[in-house]
Amino acid sequence: QSALTQPRSVSGSPGQSVTISCTGTSSDVGGYSYVSWYQQYPGKAPKVKIYDVSKRPSGVPDRFSGSKSGNTASLTISGLQAEDEADYYCCSYAGSYTWVFGGGTKLTVL
Amino acid sequence: QVQLVESGGGVVQPGRSLRLSCAVSGFTFSNYAMYWVRQAPGKGLEWVAHLSYDGNNQHYGDSVKGRFTISRDTSKNTLYLQMNSLRTDDTAVYYCARNNGAGGWLDPWGQGTLVTVSS
Repeated sequence: QSALTQPRSVSGSPGQSVTISCTGTSSDVGGYSYVSWYQQYPGKAPKVKIYDVSKRPSGVPDRFSGSKSGNTASLTISGLQAEDEADYYCCSYAGSYTWVFGGGTKLTVL
Repeated sequence: QVQLVESGGGVVQPGRSLRLSCAVSGFTFSNYAMYWVRQAPGKGLEWVAHLSYDGNNQHYGDSVKGRFTISRDTSKNTLYLQMNSLRTDDTAVYYCARNNGAGGWLDPWGQGTLVTVSS
């Protein structure tokens, strides 16, 4: 159960797009279409932004999108806004009713 | 509305035990699988445990297997995490969360409860 690999930090200016990668193995990200992404503000609980690789829960703006290629999943945030500044975590099903999170990425809006 | 509220955190000595609770409301508890996830201070999220929707199957992360037990009481609408043989590296905010979907995505989450293991 090794953590998925995410960049420690990314940044972008308001209105731009940023992409956060999440790299695993064929036993987790590459083996299932069950990657989810969570946004977390300091001192707050995480909130889901994307599930099943590319689906958005009700209420999540379409500026958030997800994709996957091989063992790497990606979260793209377009039209960056100041309120998007937060930590982002990917999570993948890893088989046998186990899950693994990424190490987290700090998004800074310049 | 759907709500999850954790309790039971605190300061405990290494080797001792602690039980966390997660009171749920706003949905039919017996229809959903549930999770515990933790976050050490300044660190990332770590999946800890999963309880199947029927309460019959439990699954654990490698770091807590054999020491932690997830369970529920549907009559009290409460999820539990019994933590035994606590270690200093178990220090974290512990969140409960509801499962959604076949592959498991977590929503909503509780506000978390802090467990500090220290002598």
